[in-house]
Amino acid sequence: EPEVTQTPSHQVTQMGQEVILRCVPISNHLYFYWYRQILGQKVEFLVSFYNNEISEKSEIFDDQFSVERPDGSNFTLKIRSTKLEDSAMYFCASSGPREQYFGPGTRLTVT
Amino acid sequence: GQQLNQSPQSMFIQEGEDVSMNCTSSSIFNTWLWYKQEPGEGPVLLIALYKAGELTSNGRLTAQFGITRKDSFLNISASIPSDVGIYFCAGRLTQGGSEKLVFGKGTKLTVNP
Repeated sequence: EPEVTQTPSHQVTQMGQEVILRCVPISNHLYFYWYRQILGQKVEFLVSFYNNEISEKSEIFDDQFSVERPDGSNFTLKIRSTKLEDSAMYFCASSGPREQYFGPGTRLTVT
Repeated sequence: GQQLNQSPQSMFIQEGEDVSMNCTSSSIFNTWLWYKQEPGEGPVLLIALYKAGELTSNGRLTAQFGITRKDSFLNISASIPSDVGIYFCAGRLTQGGSEKLVFGKGTKLTVNP
């Protein structure tokens, strides 16, 4: 069964550094998303991406964040100048015409 | 922004009992989805609901899309220990070319054998 994959599973970085989280969405899906989940809290929408551009973003998704689809299979989230409060699980998701399917997540720890 | 109120926040039940949880919103959603999340993993889709009033089952799980499109419930019958996890409702908004999910805060389910 097709699935969304994410790498790395865990990323530790120092405050102020840049990180790139990678995702491979399900191959025939057209919508791609990033969500964030701070430990013990609900899943929060960050950004949706369709037709090679951002279609919607939340207030969390400020200039510190950017997304890219560098080739036909990968979808990346870049976080510049990381802060302690960026520590969270980051989930990629993709969808076709209906349901969204989530990847296993990348745990980002900013020290 | 859109918010979902999910209840209860947590449940402690005995194996074999039935479980019910629900979500309400002040906003109308096109689709309601129910996900289960286990520690350290991503949300896994359980059931998707597309039409107001729709009642859908997936094994021991049954979910309904409220007639007003502002609420949904999930029932789990005859619970087993592997049902343990956090259950999230999510409302899907599709407007023009954009789409996103709004999540509830989750219901943490503990099943005692």
